[in-house]
Amino acid sequence: GENVEQHPSTLSVQEGDSAVIKCTYSDSASNYFPWYKQELGKGPQLIIDIRSNVGEKKDQRIAVTLNKTAKHFSLHITETQPEDSAVYFCAASIGLRAGNMLTFGGGTRLMVKP
Amino acid sequence: DSGVTQTPKHLITATGQRVTLRCSPRSGDLSVYWYQQSLDQGLQFLIQYYNGEERAKGNILERFSAQQFPDLHSELNLSSLELGDSALYFCASSVLGQGSETQYFGPGTRLLVL
Repeated sequence: GENVEQHPSTLSVQEGDSAVIKCTYSDSASNYFPWYKQELGKGPQLIIDIRSNVGEKKDQRIAVTLNKTAKHFSLHITETQPEDSAVYFCAASIGLRAGNMLTFGGGTRLMVKP
Repeated sequence: DSGVTQTPKHLITATGQRVTLRCSPRSGDLSVYWYQQSLDQGLQFLIQYYNGEERAKGNILERFSAQQFPDLHSELNLSSLELGDSALYFCASSVLGQGSETQYFGPGTRLLVL
């Protein structure tokens, strides 16, 4: 089955700096890659996603890039703010008509220091 | 607020017992997913339902079962509970449960088995 590796497991940055989180996946059939943010005591919240027909997607301070050949995708957060502090998860899905299970990476704890 | 509701928020029980976790999907969503989040296994997909029918199955233990009712709410039943079943259980929902659809997560149920 699919395997998703995520790095780093913890990341500490100064407010205003950029943060980059990287994920690799194993199944070349995967075609949907969402990123979730999880704050303490809450469920994962989708922040951005990308589909395999696109190489890059941006939403304000957040961007995701996808390299299908290398089977890796990355999350970029610019101008980080203290409220960006949370655990971030990448995920991959083969996204069949018959089902849409997500395989998650191990998570990255991002700490933004004011 | 994702629109997905889960009850109860917290559950404390003893080994060998059985519990039922409940999930109501977002209005209009026909598909429900269950995920388990534990410290050692991370976020893992358990099972997916679409309009009352099982659609995909992950690493769900035989002691665990789920169903989706005609009103689209879902229940996850955990029986013969073991200490290792202590975890956060999340429900997510999406419109049709097909490939590349965004999954919206509920706030989770924290299960503690003593």
